[in-house]
Amino acid sequence: DQQVKQNSPSLSVQEGRISILNCDYTNSMFDYFLWYKKYPAEGPTFLISISSIKDKNEDGRFTVFLNKSAKHLSLHIVPSQPGDSAVYFCAASVDSGYSTLTFGKGTMLLVSP
Amino acid sequence: DVKVTQSSRYLVKRTGEKVFLECVQDMDHENMFWYRQDPGLGLRLIYFSYDVKMKEKGDIPEGYSVSREKKERFSLILESASTNQTSMYLCASSERGNYGYTFGSGTRLTVV
Repeated sequence: DQQVKQNSPSLSVQEGRISILNCDYTNSMFDYFLWYKKYPAEGPTFLISISSIKDKNEDGRFTVFLNKSAKHLSLHIVPSQPGDSAVYFCAASVDSGYSTLTFGKGTMLLVSP
Repeated sequence: DVKVTQSSRYLVKRTGEKVFLECVQDMDHENMFWYRQDPGLGLRLIYFSYDVKMKEKGDIPEGYSVSREKKERFSLILESASTNQTSMYLCASSERGNYGYTFGSGTRLTVV
């Protein structure tokens, strides 16, 4: 039973345009959400997060939106750059005290010049 | 530069062997995690530890065990390697209460 779903395995965008990566979740107990970025042959790196008490968090070119009623979050990258080409993982957590994360399957973003 | 170091980048082991994957972090983090990454399945949690000598099962602990004798080191043990354990293994650490993990570069294990 997949609790965090990234239904798009891949996304292609032109440089300078907006990239929108989507994530849906089923567990209503999730209260913290994160995005990680992974380049080939490297471990994932933390990108941006959002608490369930907020609906938006922005960090430079990256913005995460949370729609709790729809159990949906999205990552917007504006403007997209070729260096953003990577696999993006959505992750979510229940406040259990253990800081464990449940990850989605990932979306491969390709930004072409 | 803070880091999580996984001892091997690539490993090839035979079916039935006992395999040790080592992970060391230099950030004095309380939490350490082992995930495996498989195509089409994302990252799945195998085991985690929130303190020295403490361990908890994740979502897919079968066939694995772990050891955390020192705060900086978290070992994943495949008791008897099988071909379905061929995967990319990722170690991560975080401060207590912090979800921003620092991951290692991964160990790609092939069991033949």
